[in-house]
Amino acid sequence: GAVVSQHPSRVICKSGTSVKIECRSLDFQATTMFWYRQFPKQSLMLMATSNEGSKATYEQGVEKDKFLINHASLTLSTLTVTSAHPEDSSFYICSASLGEPYYGYTFGSGTRLTVV
Amino acid sequence: GESVGLHLPTLSVQEGDNSIINCAYSNSASDYFIWYKQESGKGPQFIIDIRSNMDKRQGQRVTVLLNKTVKHLSLQIAATQPGDSAVYFCAETEGGGADGLTFGKGTHLIIQP
Repeated sequence: GAVVSQHPSRVICKSGTSVKIECRSLDFQATTMFWYRQFPKQSLMLMATSNEGSKATYEQGVEKDKFLINHASLTLSTLTVTSAHPEDSSFYICSASLGEPYYGYTFGSGTRLTVV
Repeated sequence: GESVGLHLPTLSVQEGDNSIINCAYSNSASDYFIWYKQESGKGPQFIIDIRSNMDKRQGQRVTVLLNKTVKHLSLQIAATQPGDSAVYFCAETEGGGADGLTFGKGTHLIIQP
């Protein structure tokens, strides 16, 4: 089955630094990748949608200059949290799809970001 | 979909009993629905999906029911086991594949021994 690998699983960084999270589709080419954010005991919220080779589409209220997304190949998307602050601490999860209707979405294992 | 809640509803059932988890959605244009299971500290795990042209779909020990008239989705888990303890989310999308998912609030299922 489709597998999405997300790395790192946990990261602690100092306030003001940047953190990069990688999302790879291991056994399929992901036309579209998605980034979600999840606060404790809450649901997942879509942050942005990225298609290989084009600019990401951000959801309303998500700062594109703060959450930089790069989708350089059909198997890799990265999310960089720039100038991180404690309020950016959250669980970030990527997802990938083939871009075809009704084929489902595969999720990564998530990255726990703690900004101190 | 539903707005994000500030806390998760909890459903507690006895091991071996059947569980029913409900979800309401608001976007009448959604045509693809998925149930996910999420264990603590992990990403969502696919359970079962259903397209809007169906009202019922069965998997192994799970059944999803879709009522488009009242925009309601349910997940039935038969003979619950301790390993079923997790948070369950419904998710919806219009386009399928190219669009992201809108997640429901989630329900924390607790299995009592």
